Amino acid sequence: DAKTTQPTSMDCAEGRAANLPCNHSTISGNEYVYWYRQIHSQGPQYIIHGLKNNETNEMASLIITEDRKSSTLILPHATLRDTAVYYCIAEWGGSEKLVFGKGTKLTVNP
Amino acid sequence: NAGVMQNPRHLVRRRGQEARLRCSPMKGHSHVYWYRQLPEEGLKFMVYLQKENIIDESGMPKERFSAEFPKEGPSILRIQQVVRGDSAAYFCASSPETGANEKLFFGSGTQLSVL
Repeated sequence: DAKTTQPTSMDCAEGRAANLPCNHSTISGNEYVYWYRQIHSQGPQYIIHGLKNNETNEMASLIITEDRKSSTLILPHATLRDTAVYYCIAEWGGSEKLVFGKGTKLTVNP
Repeated sequence: NAGVMQNPRHLVRRRGQEARLRCSPMKGHSHVYWYRQLPEEGLKFMVYLQKENIIDESGMPKERFSAEFPKEGPSILRIQQVVRGDSAAYFCASSPETGANEKLFFGSGTQLSVL
């Protein structure tokens, strides 16, 4: 599994965009980038994933650099309910499990 | 479509007792994963099962822990002779198929407290 590095914590003002970075400089060609989040005392929740192209869904956007060594998760209009730990995971196709690191604790402030 | 159901939500056991944690995957999902989260730590993979088969148990402690996913009924994570260090949140996830292109759906977890 490719190692990912994320900042330990970040703050964001309510209503502003939250941009969460992730470095995965050793990622290989068949490894996807996944983002999950875990709100306090709840199970993790899938957000988005991608391989090479940028992706967008109803929750967030994922921007992957051309060399694929880093990515950014964007929550376009953060709300207080987005306060959570966000996990960036690099995983190869066909893998049986996801390996969670320590993630980024995002705090959205009023 | 109900999500992944775990029960009980909270479980209290005394040292030496057995703990049984249940997980019903989402309808149509045949792959189940168990993760453990110790206080103030990240999630650690424990075991991956398909119906009636253990596929990967590389994260399971060598003793006292076992898991099953029978043909009928929920997946069970069993911890025998619990110790205080087993106190943690145990999360179950399911997916319809394996592979990195399949996202995992997690339950709300079982919080195990060992007195």
